[in-house]
Amino acid sequence: GAVVSQHPSWVICKSGTSVKIECRSLDFQATTMFWYRQFPKQSLMLMATSNEGSKATYEQGVEKDKFLINHASLTLSTLTVTSAHPEDSSFYICSAVIWGRGGQETQYFGPGTRLLVL
Amino acid sequence: AQTVTQSQPEMSVQEAETVTLSCTYDTSESDYYLFWYKQPPSRQMILVIRQEAYKQQNATENRFSVNFQKAAKSFSLKISDSQLGDAAMYFCAYRSAGAGEGGSEKLVFGKGTKLTVNP
Repeated sequence: GAVVSQHPSWVICKSGTSVKIECRSLDFQATTMFWYRQFPKQSLMLMATSNEGSKATYEQGVEKDKFLINHASLTLSTLTVTSAHPEDSSFYICSAVIWGRGGQETQYFGPGTRLLVL
Repeated sequence: AQTVTQSQPEMSVQEAETVTLSCTYDTSESDYYLFWYKQPPSRQMILVIRQEAYKQQNATENRFSVNFQKAAKSFSLKISDSQLGDAAMYFCAYRSAGAGEGGSEKLVFGKGTKLTVNP
């Protein structure tokens, strides 16, 4: 199956600093990537849709100035949590879309990044 | 807006036995896709199985099969011959058919079912 990587897998930072998380599709090109947030024992919450070459589309209630998304190439999307605060501590997951035969679309997920803001 | 409901927060099964996880969804669309994803303790989301709504035949992938009832908007997952490695959170997800290549539609997830496999 397709491989999606995330870096870093773990990050601890001080309150007020910014943190960048990278999402890469390793063996395919992805025009669309998604960013999710997952709290402990809860489901995935979609934050935004990242499209290569255009601005990201954010879900209602997600602050676009807080969570900056840049889809710089067909294999890389980045999520920057600006001026992070303890309430931003969470598990962040990206996914990349791959198109198969017959227009079949599948999302493959990265391994996630655990963010802890002190 | 579409919603996905998983009514079983937790399920358990004996190793080698069969278990069925429930999922219902609400939509007014006629064309869509349904998925089951598995999230083991590593938290890596893994696609288990997918079903296209226009297909009447239930999807199967080795020990995993679905019972897709379009009229009832039901999409259950059956795991046969359960193995210890099947222990995980299982998420049911819905995706609209969308506009085709170039326009990706987001997944709508249920809250998940935690599956425990007892040796």
